[in-house]
Amino acid sequence: GAVVSQHPSWVICKSGTSVKIECRSLDFQATTMFWYRQFPKQSLMLMATSNEGSKATYEQGVEKDKFLINHASLTLSTLTVTSAHPEDSSFYICSATGELTEAFFGQGTRLTVV
Amino acid sequence: GNSVTQMEGPVTLSEEAFLTINCTYTATGYPSLFWYVQYPGEGLQLLLKATKADDKGSNKGFEATYRKETTSFHLEKGSVQVSDSAVYFCALFNQAGTALIFGKGTTLSVSS
Repeated sequence: GAVVSQHPSWVICKSGTSVKIECRSLDFQATTMFWYRQFPKQSLMLMATSNEGSKATYEQGVEKDKFLINHASLTLSTLTVTSAHPEDSSFYICSATGELTEAFFGQGTRLTVV
Repeated sequence: GNSVTQMEGPVTLSEEAFLTINCTYTATGYPSLFWYVQYPGEGLQLLLKATKADDKGSNKGFEATYRKETTSFHLEKGSVQVSDSAVYFCALFNQAGTALIFGKGTTLSVSS
């Protein structure tokens, strides 16, 4: 199957700093990327959907100024958590889709804000 | 709108028991349906999929059949193993390719 690489796998940052998470499709062109957040023992919450070259569509309740999403190319989308706080600590997962009727997931990023 | 409802867990079974995890969906048109598995401390892995009505997805002994008439995609395995302990997510990808929706996940614990 297709490969989606998410980086970093884990990151610890100080409160008030910003963190960037990258999601790359390695062997296909990802026209759409989804960003999810997963809390412990809970399901995946869709944060936003991004299409290459256009602004991301955010789900209700997700602060677009805090979670900046950029999908500048068909192989790369980034999620930047700005001015991170401890309540932003979570597991963030990206998913990419192309021409296939299937979504491929990154490995996830464990963010801890101290 | 699109939605996925799966049975709540946790599901606790003994090794070699039969497993069923129910999943029903709401969607317009003909979505693709998936089961994903998440092992402790890891990301999501595709377990199986079905892209049209009456398709049966299968992998590692797990099976699920896309039932359009009952809007269901129940996951089954005839004999579970301890290594199957994980969280299982049912998901749909809408026909337009604009929404990937997950159920809440079902935790499976298998003991020897």
